[in-house]
Amino acid sequence: SAVISQKPSRDICQRGTSLTIQCQVDSQVTMMFWYRQQPGQSLTLIATANQGSEATYESGFVIDKFPISRPNLTFSTLTVSNMSPEDSSIYLCSAKTAGLAHATSTDTQYFGPGTRLTVL
Amino acid sequence: DAKTTQPPSMDCAEGRAANLPCNHSTISGNEYVYWYRQIHSQGPQYIIHGLKNNETNEMASLIITEDRKSSTLILPHATLRDTAVYYCIVRARGLSGNTPLVFGKGTRLSVIA
Repeated sequence: SAVISQKPSRDICQRGTSLTIQCQVDSQVTMMFWYRQQPGQSLTLIATANQGSEATYESGFVIDKFPISRPNLTFSTLTVSNMSPEDSSIYLCSAKTAGLAHATSTDTQYFGPGTRLTVL
Repeated sequence: DAKTTQPPSMDCAEGRAANLPCNHSTISGNEYVYWYRQIHSQGPQYIIHGLKNNETNEMASLIITEDRKSSTLILPHATLRDTAVYYCIVRARGLSGNTPLVFGKGTRLSVIA
Protein backbone atom coordinates (compact mmCIF):
# COMPACT_ATOMS: atom_id res chain seq x y z
CA SER A 1 0.00 0.00 0.00
CA ALA A 2 1.04 3.60 -0.52
CA VAL A 3 1.63 5.91 2.43
CA ILE A 4 0.63 9.49 1.75
CA SER A 5 1.59 12.50 3.86
CA GLN A 6 0.31 16.06 3.66
CA LYS A 7 1.59 19.36 4.97
CA PRO A 8 0.29 21.32 6.74
CA SER A 9 -2.15 19.18 8.67
CA ARG A 10 -4.22 22.24 9.46
CA ASP A 11 -4.09 26.00 9.07
CA ILE A 12 -6.11 29.10 9.84
CA CYS A 13 -5.85 31.77 7.17
CA GLN A 14 -7.15 35.24 6.49
CA ARG A 15 -9.45 35.88 3.58
CA GLY A 16 -7.74 37.03 0.42
CA THR A 17 -4.57 35.07 1.10
CA SER A 18 -3.37 31.83 -0.50
CA LEU A 19 -2.26 28.50 0.97
CA THR A 20 -0.22 25.78 -0.69
CA ILE A 21 -0.74 22.21 0.47
CA GLN A 22 1.94 19.63 -0.17
CA CYS A 23 1.40 15.93 -0.79
CA GLN A 24 4.15 13.32 -0.68
CA VAL A 25 3.72 9.63 -1.57
CA ASP A 26 6.23 7.05 -0.36
CA SER A 27 6.29 5.14 -3.64
CA GLN A 28 6.05 5.98 -7.28
CA VAL A 29 2.44 6.20 -8.34
CA THR A 30 1.06 7.11 -11.71
CA MET A 31 -2.12 8.85 -10.65
CA MET A 32 -2.67 11.56 -8.04
CA PHE A 33 -5.87 13.37 -7.16
CA TRP A 34 -7.09 16.20 -4.96
CA TYR A 35 -10.42 16.14 -3.15
CA ARG A 36 -12.30 18.63 -1.02
CA GLN A 37 -14.56 17.75 1.89
CA GLN A 38 -16.73 20.57 3.12
CA PRO A 39 -18.03 20.43 6.69
CA GLY A 40 -20.46 17.57 7.16
CA GLN A 41 -20.25 16.55 3.50
CA SER A 42 -18.76 13.74 1.47
CA LEU A 43 -15.63 14.01 -0.65
CA THR A 44 -15.72 15.94 -3.92
CA LEU A 45 -13.03 15.54 -6.56
CA ILE A 46 -11.24 18.78 -7.43
CA ALA A 47 -8.79 17.58 -10.06
CA THR A 48 -6.40 14.93 -11.30
CA ALA A 49 -2.78 16.03 -10.98
CA ASN A 50 -0.85 15.13 -14.12
CA GLN A 51 2.92 14.85 -14.10
CA GLY A 52 4.52 17.41 -16.35
CA SER A 53 1.29 18.86 -17.65
CA GLU A 54 -1.72 20.85 -16.53
CA ALA A 55 -4.10 19.23 -14.08
CA THR A 56 -7.50 18.01 -15.22
CA TYR A 57 -10.20 19.87 -13.30
CA GLU A 58 -13.72 18.73 -12.49
CA SER A 59 -16.74 20.85 -13.21
CA GLY A 60 -16.92 23.76 -10.81
CA PHE A 61 -13.19 23.94 -10.14
CA VAL A 62 -10.79 26.17 -12.09
CA ILE A 63 -7.03 26.46 -12.33
CA ASP A 64 -6.94 30.10 -11.26
CA LYS A 65 -8.56 29.22 -7.94
CA PHE A 66 -6.88 25.84 -7.36
CA PRO A 67 -3.54 25.73 -9.18
CA ILE A 68 -1.94 22.29 -8.97
CA SER A 69 1.60 21.17 -9.64
CA ARG A 70 3.07 17.71 -9.98
CA PRO A 71 6.78 17.90 -10.75
CA ASN A 72 7.42 14.17 -10.30
CA LEU A 73 5.72 10.85 -9.60
CA THR A 74 5.65 11.17 -5.83
CA PHE A 75 4.89 14.85 -5.11
CA SER A 76 2.07 17.28 -5.78
CA THR A 77 0.88 20.62 -4.47
CA LEU A 78 -2.55 22.24 -4.36
CA THR A 79 -2.87 25.97 -3.84
CA VAL A 80 -6.09 27.50 -2.61
CA SER A 81 -5.97 31.07 -3.94
CA ASN A 82 -7.64 34.26 -2.81
CA MET A 83 -9.37 32.41 -0.02
CA SER A 84 -12.81 33.16 1.36
CA PRO A 85 -14.64 31.56 4.31
CA GLU A 86 -16.42 29.29 1.81
CA ASP A 87 -13.08 27.60 1.15
CA SER A 88 -12.99 26.28 4.71
CA SER A 89 -12.78 22.53 4.17
CA ILE A 90 -10.60 19.49 4.48
CA TYR A 91 -8.40 19.02 1.42
CA LEU A 92 -7.29 15.48 0.71
CA CYS A 93 -4.58 14.11 -1.53
CA SER A 94 -5.04 10.66 -3.04
CA ALA A 95 -2.96 8.35 -5.21
CA LYS A 96 -3.09 5.06 -7.07
CA THR A 97 -1.08 3.06 -9.50
CA ALA A 98 -2.68 3.11 -12.92
CA GLY A 99 -4.45 -0.08 -13.79
CA LEU A 100 -3.02 -2.22 -16.54
CA ALA A 101 -4.72 -4.29 -19.18
CA HIS A 102 -5.13 -6.97 -16.54
CA ALA A 103 -6.38 -5.76 -13.17
CA THR A 104 -3.83 -6.11 -10.41
CA SER A 105 -3.94 -5.90 -6.67
CA THR A 106 -2.02 -2.64 -6.77
CA ASP A 107 -4.98 -0.85 -8.29
CA THR A 108 -6.24 0.42 -4.93
CA GLN A 109 -6.58 4.17 -4.35
CA TYR A 110 -5.13 5.52 -1.11
CA PHE A 111 -5.66 8.78 0.76
CA GLY A 112 -3.61 11.17 2.80
CA PRO A 113 -4.70 12.35 6.26
CA GLY A 114 -6.08 15.63 4.91
CA THR A 115 -5.40 19.31 5.53
CA ARG A 116 -8.00 21.11 7.58
CA LEU A 117 -8.29 24.70 6.37
CA THR A 118 -10.20 27.42 8.18
CA VAL A 119 -10.57 30.80 6.50
CA LEU A 120 -11.55 33.75 8.67
CA ASP B 1 -22.91 10.66 -9.69
CA ALA B 2 -22.49 7.87 -7.15
CA LYS B 3 -23.91 4.57 -8.38
CA THR B 4 -24.65 3.15 -4.95
CA THR B 5 -27.34 3.54 -2.30
CA GLN B 6 -26.61 3.19 1.40
CA PRO B 7 -28.63 3.91 4.54
CA PRO B 8 -27.55 7.23 6.04
CA SER B 9 -26.89 5.85 9.50
CA MET B 10 -26.78 2.67 11.59
CA ASP B 11 -26.11 1.73 15.18
CA CYS B 12 -24.34 -1.39 16.41
CA ALA B 13 -23.63 -2.69 19.90
CA GLU B 14 -20.00 -3.14 20.76
CA GLY B 15 -18.86 -6.74 20.24
CA ARG B 16 -21.68 -7.54 17.85
CA ALA B 17 -21.41 -7.90 14.10
CA ALA B 18 -22.06 -4.78 12.07
CA ASN B 19 -23.73 -5.48 8.74
CA LEU B 20 -23.66 -2.54 6.35
CA PRO B 21 -25.77 -2.89 3.21
CA CYS B 22 -25.21 -1.33 -0.19
CA ASN B 23 -27.35 -1.37 -3.31
CA HIS B 24 -25.66 -1.11 -6.71
CA SER B 25 -28.34 -2.31 -9.10
CA THR B 26 -26.74 -0.73 -12.19
CA ILE B 27 -23.30 -2.25 -11.66
CA SER B 28 -21.53 -3.24 -14.86
CA GLY B 29 -19.85 -6.57 -15.47
CA ASN B 30 -16.34 -5.13 -15.15
CA GLU B 31 -17.01 -3.08 -12.03
CA TYR B 32 -15.80 -4.04 -8.60
CA VAL B 33 -17.36 -3.14 -5.27
CA TYR B 34 -15.01 -1.17 -2.99
CA TRP B 35 -15.51 -0.27 0.65
CA TYR B 36 -13.74 2.57 2.42
CA ARG B 37 -14.28 4.13 5.79
CA GLN B 38 -13.53 7.55 7.18
CA ILE B 39 -12.97 7.94 10.86
CA HIS B 40 -13.58 11.46 12.10
CA SER B 41 -10.93 13.95 10.96
CA GLN B 42 -8.94 11.34 9.04
CA GLY B 43 -8.55 10.46 5.36
CA PRO B 44 -10.59 7.58 3.92
CA GLN B 45 -9.17 4.14 4.65
CA TYR B 46 -9.43 1.25 2.20
CA ILE B 47 -11.19 -1.78 3.68
CA ILE B 48 -11.90 -4.39 1.03
CA HIS B 49 -13.05 -4.92 -2.53
CA GLY B 50 -14.63 -7.71 -4.56
CA LEU B 51 -16.06 -8.62 -7.93
CA LYS B 52 -18.50 -11.48 -7.42
CA ASN B 53 -17.05 -13.86 -4.87
CA ASN B 54 -17.24 -13.22 -1.17
CA GLU B 55 -14.04 -11.76 0.23
CA THR B 56 -12.52 -11.66 3.69
CA ASN B 57 -9.48 -9.93 5.12
CA GLU B 58 -8.26 -8.94 8.55
CA MET B 59 -10.66 -6.01 8.73
CA ALA B 60 -13.94 -7.26 7.31
CA SER B 61 -15.91 -9.59 5.08
CA LEU B 62 -17.68 -8.62 1.89
CA ILE B 63 -20.73 -10.56 0.77
CA ILE B 64 -21.92 -9.89 -2.79
CA THR B 65 -25.25 -11.25 -4.00
CA GLU B 66 -25.28 -13.62 -6.92
CA ASP B 67 -26.85 -11.02 -9.22
CA ARG B 68 -24.26 -8.48 -7.96
CA LYS B 69 -26.93 -5.85 -7.41
CA SER B 70 -26.20 -5.52 -3.72
CA SER B 71 -23.55 -6.29 -1.14
CA THR B 72 -22.98 -6.28 2.60
CA LEU B 73 -19.88 -5.30 4.50
CA ILE B 74 -19.54 -7.24 7.73
CA LEU B 75 -17.43 -6.15 10.68
CA PRO B 76 -17.54 -9.35 12.74
CA HIS B 77 -16.93 -7.88 16.19
CA ALA B 78 -17.47 -4.14 16.13
CA THR B 79 -15.49 -1.97 18.53
CA LEU B 80 -15.83 1.69 19.43
CA ARG B 81 -12.93 2.42 17.07
CA ASP B 82 -15.07 1.20 14.16
CA THR B 83 -17.32 4.24 14.53
CA ALA B 84 -16.95 5.96 11.16
CA VAL B 85 -18.62 6.80 7.85
CA TYR B 86 -18.51 3.79 5.53
CA TYR B 87 -18.53 4.30 1.77
CA CYS B 88 -19.53 1.71 -0.81
CA ILE B 89 -18.19 2.55 -4.29
CA VAL B 90 -18.29 0.71 -7.60
CA ARG B 91 -15.54 1.11 -10.15
CA ALA B 92 -13.83 -0.87 -12.85
CA ARG B 93 -10.23 -2.01 -12.46
CA GLY B 94 -7.41 -2.30 -14.93
CA LEU B 95 -7.34 0.13 -17.82
CA SER B 96 -11.01 0.97 -17.31
CA GLY B 97 -10.37 1.81 -13.67
CA ASN B 98 -7.99 4.69 -14.26
CA THR B 99 -10.50 7.16 -12.92
CA PRO B 100 -10.73 8.59 -9.42
CA LEU B 101 -13.17 7.23 -6.89
CA VAL B 102 -16.51 8.98 -6.70
CA PHE B 103 -17.94 9.14 -3.21
CA GLY B 104 -21.59 9.09 -2.21
CA LYS B 105 -22.85 10.04 1.21
CA GLY B 106 -22.03 6.74 2.88
CA THR B 107 -23.39 5.20 6.07
CA ARG B 108 -22.52 6.69 9.42
CA LEU B 109 -21.96 3.71 11.74
CA SER B 110 -22.11 4.37 15.45
CA VAL B 111 -20.80 1.59 17.69
CA ILE B 112 -22.38 1.85 21.10
CA ALA B 113 -20.86 0.53 24.33
